[in-house]
Amino acid sequence: DIQMTQSPSSLSASVGDRVTFTCRASQNVNSHLHWFQQRPGKAPKLLIYAASSLQSGVPSRFSGSGSGTDFALTISSLQPEDFATYYCQQTYSTPYNFGQGTNLEIK
Amino acid sequence: EVQLVESGGGLVQTGGSLRLSCAASGFTFSAHYMDWVRQAPGKGLEWVGRIRNKANSYTTEYSASVAGRFSISRDDSKNSLYLQMNSLKTDDTAVYYCSRIALITSGGTRPFDIWGQGTMVTVSS
Repeated sequence: DIQMTQSPSSLSASVGDRVTFTCRASQNVNSHLHWFQQRPGKAPKLLIYAASSLQSGVPSRFSGSGSGTDFALTISSLQPEDFATYYCQQTYSTPYNFGQGTNLEIK
Repeated sequence: EVQLVESGGGLVQTGGSLRLSCAASGFTFSAHYMDWVRQAPGKGLEWVGRIRNKANSYTTEYSASVAGRFSISRDDSKNSLYLQMNSLKTDDTAVYYCSRIALITSGGTRPFDIWGQGTMVTVSS
């Protein structure tokens, strides 16, 4: 199985800050890496697919990068609605594991 | 509007069974692979399993934690997805989400692009 490790587990930041989360796969997943946002009590929402492609309707302040085993999600200027938990997921091979999540909190 | 709506969750005793449903609307359900993902209270997301489309013989795959106990099926005529859960354990307590798998992207990937609101399953001893 491919294990996904996200860092940090939690992060405190302020509105307007630029933040970056990282995700590392235990094996090469090429570009089969996706990022989700989950607000409390809500379903996950796809933000970035194929490592760096912005899902339709997602604000351009979100961007993704990386390939192989190391990936990053960057939010260029935090907005109040961005405080949530972020998950990466690989769909290169089953089981399609998720990272443990990064909880983004307001400072 | 593209939408997935889960139903069928509830309280069940260990060893019992439950069948979840997911009603799809607003898209060509039959064309898509469909997956189930769960989230235990206060925990992260866990992939449960997948069913492919007719063109791929409706093949299924499951996580090791549910293989042999859970079964995924679909009825394309009813735009519906199902998760039959047998021999339930307390560790199966979670919100269960159904998710649509995007038709293959230019990068060759299949992201989980649409999610339902989830249905809660509580397994009590």
